[in-house]
Amino acid sequence: DTAVSQTPKYLVTQMGNDKSIKCEQNLGHDTMYWYKQDSKKFLKIMFSYNNKELIINETVPNRFSPKSPDKAHLNLHINSLELGDSAVYFCASSQVFHEQYFGPGTRLTVT
Amino acid sequence: AQTVTQSQPEMSVQEAETVTLSCTYDTSENNYYLFWYKQPPSRQMILVIRQEAYKQQNATENRFSVNFQKAAKSFSLKISDSQLGDTAMYFCAFLFTGANSKLTFGKGITLSVRP
Repeated sequence: DTAVSQTPKYLVTQMGNDKSIKCEQNLGHDTMYWYKQDSKKFLKIMFSYNNKELIINETVPNRFSPKSPDKAHLNLHINSLELGDSAVYFCASSQVFHEQYFGPGTRLTVT
Repeated sequence: AQTVTQSQPEMSVQEAETVTLSCTYDTSENNYYLFWYKQPPSRQMILVIRQEAYKQQNATENRFSVNFQKAAKSFSLKISDSQLGDTAMYFCAFLFTGANSKLTFGKGITLSVRP
């Protein structure tokens, strides 16, 4: 059973396009997250949702918009993609103040 | 703000030997958790071990153990009997248990296990 799943695993697109990444967790966790891992492998949190409510919004361009239709899903929509958005995006989930479980990551390449 | 420092960018160890990965952190919080995550070439982030700050006893998971020194703000990971499958990037991470709690990662260390 996949605990945290993301689709797609790979995404290649051109500058200016709009794309979405979907995330689902079947662990019954209350909190979900989006992270960005850059080319130097540095991981940084972007957003955090608790029971569908946004609780963390780091300094991310407003071209990035997370949406949580229910507590098991957290999607990431990116408008007007730029070259600098190329990275691996990870979804994760946890119970509050507990270890986070990560999805397999989505490698986004903007050309 | 919390910071996590992993000063060694890479290490190498012979199969079956023991290796220790270093991590230091800075915080003014008293209640927090510390974690080590492993990222193999498959890029999946895998939780290796966790330590609660209020526990004095060092956490252990099979071949993996930590040396948690709260006063020194140090949290090193010891891998015993290294295996080829341990080859990966290892990230130290800090989680404080307060409002807007978020996981802060170090820059990671690349560990290579030599056959």
